[in-house]
Amino acid sequence: AQSVTQLGSHVSVSEGALVLLRCNYSSSVPPYLFWYVQYPNQGLQLLLKYTTGATLVKGINGFEAEFKKSETSFHLTKPSAHMSDAAEYFCAVRTSNDYKLSFGAGTTVTVRA
Amino acid sequence: DTAVSQTPKYLVTQMGNDKSIKCEQNLGHDTMYWYKQDSKKFLKIMFSYNNKELIINETVPNRFSPKSPDKAHLNLHINSLELGDSAVYFCASSTRLAGELTDTQYFGPGTRLTVL
Repeated sequence: AQSVTQLGSHVSVSEGALVLLRCNYSSSVPPYLFWYVQYPNQGLQLLLKYTTGATLVKGINGFEAEFKKSETSFHLTKPSAHMSDAAEYFCAVRTSNDYKLSFGAGTTVTVRA
Repeated sequence: DTAVSQTPKYLVTQMGNDKSIKCEQNLGHDTMYWYKQDSKKFLKIMFSYNNKELIINETVPNRFSPKSPDKAHLNLHINSLELGDSAVYFCASSTRLAGELTDTQYFGPGTRLTVL
């Protein structure tokens, strides 16, 4: 079975500062990894995903994440935070033969002016 | 032209009642899901249907019964509602694309269920 741990339930950054959200996974087989964003009172929207190939993945809204197998990590970054980045971010994992997506507990991002 | 839609958006009801939430997707996907998000925002899969066949059935009370009349619809019926059923319920859909090893799940806007 696979699982995800998101370090830090709440991250506060200044506008223009680096955003770093941490995600570590546990999986007995090669994982597929996802980052989703949830804006207030809305559903989840895919930011980016890693399946195979290039370990640095670029997503929407200037976000990117790097898959590091040796560290079992898939941290999400954005060089310069914008007020519109305030939201809940979820890391998720699944495997190629499993429909089930396992989510982390989420990280709330607030952006200070 | 909403991809995954759910009705209703809000549902307030008394304990003991029976209620249904409907989900429809117009993406042509063959797999649909129900997730529950609790008050701490933790998301957990409940059910999944692939081509109208139940493929994921997590440890969920029997009071919850999914129904998929066709590939584009997945409804959730809840009997004898309890206070602990209060949550946001999300529908999602996905498909396996030829040549792609994985699929992306697209989520609906959610249904906020409040049981009084």
